[in-house]
Amino acid sequence: SQKIEQNSEALNIQEGKTATLTCNYTNYSPAYLQWYRQDPGRGPVFLLLIRENEKEKRKERLKVTFDTTLKQSLFHITASQPADSATYLCALAQAAGNKLTFGGGTRVLVKP
Amino acid sequence: NAGVTQTPKFQVLKTGQSMTLQCAQDMNHNSMYWYRQDPGMGLRLIYYSASEGTTDKGEVPNGYNVSRLNKREFSLRLESAAPSQTSVYFCASSENREFASGNTIYFGEGSWLTVV
Repeated sequence: SQKIEQNSEALNIQEGKTATLTCNYTNYSPAYLQWYRQDPGRGPVFLLLIRENEKEKRKERLKVTFDTTLKQSLFHITASQPADSATYLCALAQAAGNKLTFGGGTRVLVKP
Repeated sequence: NAGVTQTPKFQVLKTGQSMTLQCAQDMNHNSMYWYRQDPGMGLRLIYYSASEGTTDKGEVPNGYNVSRLNKREFSLRLESAAPSQTSVYFCASSENREFASGNTIYFGEGSWLTVV
């Protein structure tokens, strides 16, 4: 069966350190992988996307990698700040089927 | 630009009551969606409308109906609410459903529904 797995345990990290989140998938052939941020009581907001043939994408302090061999994406927040505290969701878009499927999300808590 | 607006923000219903969640987007998007989000289950697609005039079932459509009123508006109706429908509901929209081409989704702020 198809699965998208994100660590359900919260990630606690000290301000200034790099937070690294994983998104693993099975039985998907993703064309794109997207990352969203969700603050408590709000809807998810798009952050970054990466294509299957791209190894890495950056946006300010955010970096995403995509390894189709390992079937994994890593999401890094460098020089983390308390304002980065939120839940981060990955989502996969398959090459066919017009479908975007979300993982369960990982909560990040950055402590000052 | 308001983006995606949904109402109400909070609602408490008794079992068996009906209600409609309203959603509107001002981005001229073709596709609209209703998701529910439950702890440990992530975002699950209830229904979607690929374009004005069409609606289709998602992963968890039972107990719900939808109406794509026009290009801007997409409503979700619970005909006879059940406690299992207690959840946070998100309306969303996208330019189209060609996610394999890099389309992304824009979400509303959510509607918290409790069925007692």
